[in-house]
Order: sequence, then C-alpha cells, then structure tokens
Amino acid sequence: EVQLAESGGGLVPPGGSLRLSCAASGFTFNNHDINWVRQAPGKGLEWVSYISGTGASIYYADSVKGRFTVSRDNTKSSLYLQMNSLRAEDTAVYYCARDRIIGERAFDIWGQGTMVTVSS
Amino acid sequence: DIQMTQSPSSLSASVGDRVTITCQASQDISNFLNWYQQKPGRAPSLLIYSASNLETGVPSRFSGSGSGTDFTFTISSLQPEDIATYYCQQYDNFPLTFGGGTKVEIK
Repeated sequence: EVQLAESGGGLVPPGGSLRLSCAASGFTFNNHDINWVRQAPGKGLEWVSYISGTGASIYYADSVKGRFTVSRDNTKSSLYLQMNSLRAEDTAVYYCARDRIIGERAFDIWGQGTMVTVSS
Repeated sequence: DIQMTQSPSSLSASVGDRVTITCQASQDISNFLNWYQQKPGRAPSLLIYSASNLETGVPSRFSGSGSGTDFTFTISSLQPEDIATYYCQQYDNFPLTFGGGTKVEIK
C-alpha cells in the first residue's frame, strides 16, 4: 500500500526546535517530489516546503524561510523537516504530501499528520 | 505570490442538489489548479488535478473546469458523504497557495 507516515510532533516552547520525519512506503520514493503542508487549528491549508526527488530543488514559504530546513534520505525513503526558532504561529498539524507526478504538483498521497504545539 | 480567492466560504444544500464552488486566481495560472476534499479530522484527499482531470477512484459526480484565472468545482448531486471542506490549490508558481476553503453542509 502506498503510504506516508509523519512522526516527531509534540509540545515545544517558543524559540525551540523540533525535527519532523515522514516515512514513505509502497512506492519508489526518489521518483516523487514531496511537500510539507500545515494546518493551524480550525484554519485552512498552508503550503510550507517542497523538495524534489533528488533533493536538488527546494522551496519554502516566506513564513518559514530561514527557520525551517527540508531534507530527504532516499536510501531510507524518508523526508525530514528541521524546525528552528519556533513561534506560536507555527502551531499546526503538519502533513507530508506526495506530488502525483514530476512537475504536476497535485498532492495525491498524504500522511495522517503530526501535531506541533508551540507554547510555554 | 498568487492569491486564490475561493467562494463561498460555506454553503448548505440538500441531498441531490448541484453544488458549485468557485476559485479565482490573482493572475493567469493556465490550468495549474487542483481541488481537494478534507473531512473532519482527516488529511485532505485529491479530487481534481490540472483543473478538470478526475483523480483515480473519485466518483464522477465531482468535476472541475476553468483556465486562466477563473475555475469552478461542481458536485452534480450532493451525497451525505460529501460533507467536508473543499480547497483549491494553484501550482503555477512557488509559493504554492491554497484557497481559503468552502465548508459544505447538508440542509
């Protein structure tokens, strides 16, 4: 079965750091670009970051640029999001989501999400 | 950044009704527009890609149309299981952006 599964969420104080992971299974991981998308409680969807299949191309939302770093390990079929200098407004469910095919940024597979709460 | 304006923000309709949601881009995005459904407590799921293509396994009562700046998403006959929030998303340029969502309820 094609799946993505996030982990690593939790409660962190403002200014703290957290590393999220996304484990892929059931498909050839390096053939797909992957994104992070977040959803604050009761709010809509916000795209956070993109990384290409090789890892050579990376983009961030302005709201996280300079604080978050996306990476991937294709040997482990895993994606990561290092989040530093966390703020209260980063509180959200974080999803990893696969691009349907290269160049077509339609997210056809999503993980179940992991909750990040930034609070003292 | 490309702004996506989705309307209405919520609607209430009866089972069997035709439901239409619109999404307007702040600039021409060709057909680089997707639609998602999100049920409460669940991750979103892809319904329509590239403005008008039905994702595999999605019921045919869902459809999408449009190009340029104006797009429409339609449920031809609303079913109880369609209660959800629907989002459009553009992928013409980074940053990728979503519409604000449309919450669909049963009257």
